[in-house]
Amino acid sequence: DQQVKQNSPSLSVQEGRISILNCDYTNSMFDYFLWYKKYPAEGPTFLISISSIKDKNEDGRFTVFLNKSAKHLSLHIVPSQPGDSAVYFCAASPILLNSGYSTLTFGKGTMLLVSP
Amino acid sequence: NAGVTQTPKFRILKIGQSMTLQCAQDMNHNYMYWYRQDPGMGLKLIYYSVGAGITDKGEVPNGYNVSRSTTEDFPLRLELAAPSQTSVYFCASSEDRGPGNEQFFGPGTRLTVL
Repeated sequence: DQQVKQNSPSLSVQEGRISILNCDYTNSMFDYFLWYKKYPAEGPTFLISISSIKDKNEDGRFTVFLNKSAKHLSLHIVPSQPGDSAVYFCAASPILLNSGYSTLTFGKGTMLLVSP
Repeated sequence: NAGVTQTPKFRILKIGQSMTLQCAQDMNHNYMYWYRQDPGMGLKLIYYSVGAGITDKGEVPNGYNVSRSTTEDFPLRLELAAPSQTSVYFCASSEDRGPGNEQFFGPGTRLTVL
């Protein structure tokens, strides 16, 4: 049972255009969402995050939008650059209860290819 | 700062062999994690640790063991390797435990069990 879904395995975009990567989740307890970027033969690196109390977070060329009612988030990259070509993972974290620990649940990833 | 380091980078094991995947971090993070990534899949949490001497199971712990004797090191042990353990293994660490804590990942160990 996949709680975090990235339904597009791959996306191709031309340099300078917008890249939109989508992520859906099913667990209503998730309240913090992160995007990680991964190049081949490297570990994932943190890109941007958003709390459920917001609907948008922006960091330079990267913006994440959250639609809680639809349980959907998206990552926008504008303008896209060839160096953005990588696999992008969506991850979600549940509400921290008491002294518990909240772990991350990852989607399968979307491979973005930005062509010159 | 080297960040999170993992050794070895690659390893081929025969069924039934054992090995230890090493992970070390120099950021003085209390929280450390082991994930596995199967082809075309997301990362799945194997074990995690909230500090030296404290470990707990993640989503897919069967076939693995961990220990955390120091803040810096978090080795992952495979006792009886099986083909189902063929995967890429990532170690990660974070400063905090709360939601959204940024996890820093190592470069991974690619393990093949034949």
